[in-house]
Amino acid sequence: AQSVTQLDSQVPVFEEAPVELRCNYSSSVSVYLFWYVQYPNQGLQLLLKYLSGSTLVKSINGFEAEFNKSQTSFHLRKPSVHISDTAEYFCAVSETGGFKTIFGAGTRLFVKA
Amino acid sequence: DAGVIQSPRHEVTEMGQEVTLRCKPISGHNSLFWYRQTMMRGLELLIYFNNNVPIDDSGMPEDRFSAKMPNASFSTLKIQPSEPRDSAVYFCASSFRQGGEKLFFGSGTQLSVL
Repeated sequence: AQSVTQLDSQVPVFEEAPVELRCNYSSSVSVYLFWYVQYPNQGLQLLLKYLSGSTLVKSINGFEAEFNKSQTSFHLRKPSVHISDTAEYFCAVSETGGFKTIFGAGTRLFVKA
Repeated sequence: DAGVIQSPRHEVTEMGQEVTLRCKPISGHNSLFWYRQTMMRGLELLIYFNNNVPIDDSGMPEDRFSAKMPNASFSTLKIQPSEPRDSAVYFCASSFRQGGEKLFFGSGTQLSVL
């Protein structure tokens, strides 16, 4: 069985500062990794995903995440955040070839002016 | 495509009443998932279907919860009888599972059981 741990429940940061949201996973088999974002009163939307190949994956709005197999981590980073990045971010894992996607508890990113 | 459609958006009911949540997945998707989101427990997978067949319902809290998918374009999640601790946001998501495919989420149903 897989599990996901997001180490920070809330991350306050000033606008234009860098941010890192941490995610560690546990699995006995190969996995796919995802970051989803949830804006208030909305469902989750995919931000980026790692399936295979390059361990560094990027989203269109400046976020990136790096798959580190030895540390079983998939941390999300952005070099300069905007007010509009305020949202809840969920790390998720699914078993390669499987159906289930398991989500972490979420990290609430709050960007202050 | 209109995306995953859930109804109702909000449901307020009294303890002991039956509640039915509805979901229309994206056309062509072959997998459907029901999740529950609460502050205390985060996002929990309740049940998922593949090609209309329930694959894993181990996340369903108890026998009061049941889910059906009579065809590829419709699913229901029923709680009977409802209890205050069932209050949560219930999300439906769908995907075309070929491995690594993303989930498309509906806007959720905010359930309040008084």
